[in-house]
Amino acid sequence: GAVVSQHPSRVICKSGTSVKIECRSLDFQATTMFWYRQFPKQSLMLMATSNEGSKATYEQGVEKDKFLINHASLTLSTLTVTSAHPEDSSFYICSAELASSYNEQFFGPGTRLTVL
Amino acid sequence: LAKTTQPISMDSYEGQEVNITCSHNNIATNDYITWYQQFPSQGPRFIIQGYKTKVTNEVASLFIPADRKSSTLSLPRVSLSDTAVYYCLVGDNTGANNLFFGTGTRLTVIP
Repeated sequence: GAVVSQHPSRVICKSGTSVKIECRSLDFQATTMFWYRQFPKQSLMLMATSNEGSKATYEQGVEKDKFLINHASLTLSTLTVTSAHPEDSSFYICSAELASSYNEQFFGPGTRLTVL
Repeated sequence: LAKTTQPISMDSYEGQEVNITCSHNNIATNDYITWYQQFPSQGPRFIIQGYKTKVTNEVASLFIPADRKSSTLSLPRVSLSDTAVYYCLVGDNTGANNLFFGTGTRLTVIP
């Protein structure tokens, strides 16, 4: 099956710094990728839809200037958490859409962000 | 966007068949039903998808009644490694509509 990777798998940073998370589709091209955030014991919440070559579409309540998304190629999308604060600590998960009759989504393994 | 309702949690003994039902009363004609499995600190993993009647693969079966207002994920003979959260999603697979993850069902398999 299609594989999606994320890097890093976990990161700890100081408050006020920026953190970049990469999402790659390893064996297929994805014009659309999605970024989710998941707090402990809660469900996944869609943050934004990342489209190759165009601006990302953010869900209501998600600050686009704080969560910068760049989908520079058909296999790579990046999420940068700018000026991170402790409340941004969460599990960030990306998914890539495989164009098919079902447009199935494949999820990355997630990135655990801890802001001190 | 069709909302889904699932039991918050379920317990089962090893070796038993587990059935998790999801309600989606507002499902649209073009919507498919997709189930994902998520282990702690991992991304969701696709289990099965269907539109109507019954779908079966190597890990599960999906039963969908004629009115499609609900669906049941059936896991045969569960093992401890099946302990996870199971999410039911409904959408038309255009990329925007099947992205709402409800509460999910936390399945705990007991030895």
